[in-house]
Amino acid sequence: TQLLEQSPQFLSIQEGENLTVYCNSSSVFSSLQWYRQEPGEGPVLLVTVVTGGEVKKLKRLTFQFGDARKDSSLHITAAQTGDTGLYLCAGGDQGAQKLVFGQGTRLTINP
Amino acid sequence: DAGITQSPRHKVTETGTPVTLRCHQTENHRYMYWYRQDPGHGLRLIHYSYGVKDTDKGEVSDGYSVSRSKTEDFLLTLESATSSQTSVYFCAISEGPFSNYGYTFGSGTRLTVV
Repeated sequence: TQLLEQSPQFLSIQEGENLTVYCNSSSVFSSLQWYRQEPGEGPVLLVTVVTGGEVKKLKRLTFQFGDARKDSSLHITAAQTGDTGLYLCAGGDQGAQKLVFGQGTRLTINP
Repeated sequence: DAGITQSPRHKVTETGTPVTLRCHQTENHRYMYWYRQDPGHGLRLIHYSYGVKDTDKGEVSDGYSVSRSKTEDFLLTLESATSSQTSVYFCAISEGPFSNYGYTFGSGTRLTVV
């Protein structure tokens, strides 16, 4: 069974600071996705990374897929209160019918 | 413009009663999934469907059954609800099976079994 471990599980920082969230596995994934979930809502897809070493930027968010396709990171520059939420990584094998999700990182940005 | 709706949004039920949750999509996506979300466990797959009448078990399928008689509807049934099934349930849809396809999630159903 493939597992994804996210760290840290909880992170609370001040507005304007930078942060990095990690998603690690001992398994190789063909691609990896990041989602953000706000209270009372379902997760929303932020990005999909598919190539080892790939870096994608979404405004102040930078996503990286590890060279060996076993890990990924999410870096937020100059965090804002609107970035508060639960961040989930998810991955799967090529051909898999379903994704495996990490347990999530709960991020709180304080004003 | 939701594309995917879950009903009901909230439900309180008694132990031992059957409960059915509904997921409805307007995107004509082939793949549909039911997850439960609990603190410290993230999202865990209960059942999924890869077509009408084609379903398979996920990692936490015990005590749950599903049915998909139409492309747009995926039903999750708790045959005899237990307190351990108190959770938030999410339905998701996807265009294709590969992990490159993003999932679109519904807003969830908060189920409390008392």
